[in-house]
Amino acid sequence: DGGITQSPKYLFRKEGQNVTLSCEQNLNHDAMYWYRQDPGQGLRLIYYSQIVNDFQKGDIAEGYSVSREKKESFPLTVTSAQKNPTAFYLCATEGRGDQGYYEQYFGPGTRLTVT
Amino acid sequence: AQTVTQSQPEMSVQEAETVTLSCTYDTSESNYYLFWYKQPPSRQMILVIRQEAYKQQNATENRFSVNFQKAAKSFSLKISDSQLGDTAMYFCAFISGNTPLVFGKGTRLSVIA
Repeated sequence: DGGITQSPKYLFRKEGQNVTLSCEQNLNHDAMYWYRQDPGQGLRLIYYSQIVNDFQKGDIAEGYSVSREKKESFPLTVTSAQKNPTAFYLCATEGRGDQGYYEQYFGPGTRLTVT
Repeated sequence: AQTVTQSQPEMSVQEAETVTLSCTYDTSESNYYLFWYKQPPSRQMILVIRQEAYKQQNATENRFSVNFQKAAKSFSLKISDSQLGDTAMYFCAFISGNTPLVFGKGTRLSVIA
């Protein structure tokens, strides 16, 4: 069953703790992305990776870190330096759709709450 | 830098009626793709429709169609025969070259019975 898995669906942490969000895919896609979604803000790009062992900062990378050691996995760490980490986080991959065009596929998301 | 603007934060439509969501974008590129994504209350992002900039013909997918005006940099989504299941956030998005998708801030659509 192909797809993108994000776990857990809901995550709670205390302020000052680092937390890692999981994103796994079995679509064999090279590119993977992390977005943050806040009410009224749409989706904002945190980091993206177009190939294993390489990644680039997006628009709001401060306070976040990523790794891409395997094609299937692109974990996102929310560090204690992130000032306002409570948000909904979406992982996506990019690959060819049914009609041969590139498109993004999204995971189900993780809702992170930091108190 | 490319930008995408959705000027309607919220809209509502009666069931079975037609509604149009607006999107404008800014780019200096000549070749690019435009998308409309739907995000229902489950928060799963679903691709609704795609338009290639080099194609003059407007894309259609069943009840969903676009009005692509390249010179005006406008990309509106028309939903015909609206259904309760169309209630969702709708995001317009843009991509060109090797740059990641750029999203608008979204339009919250409510379909009223």
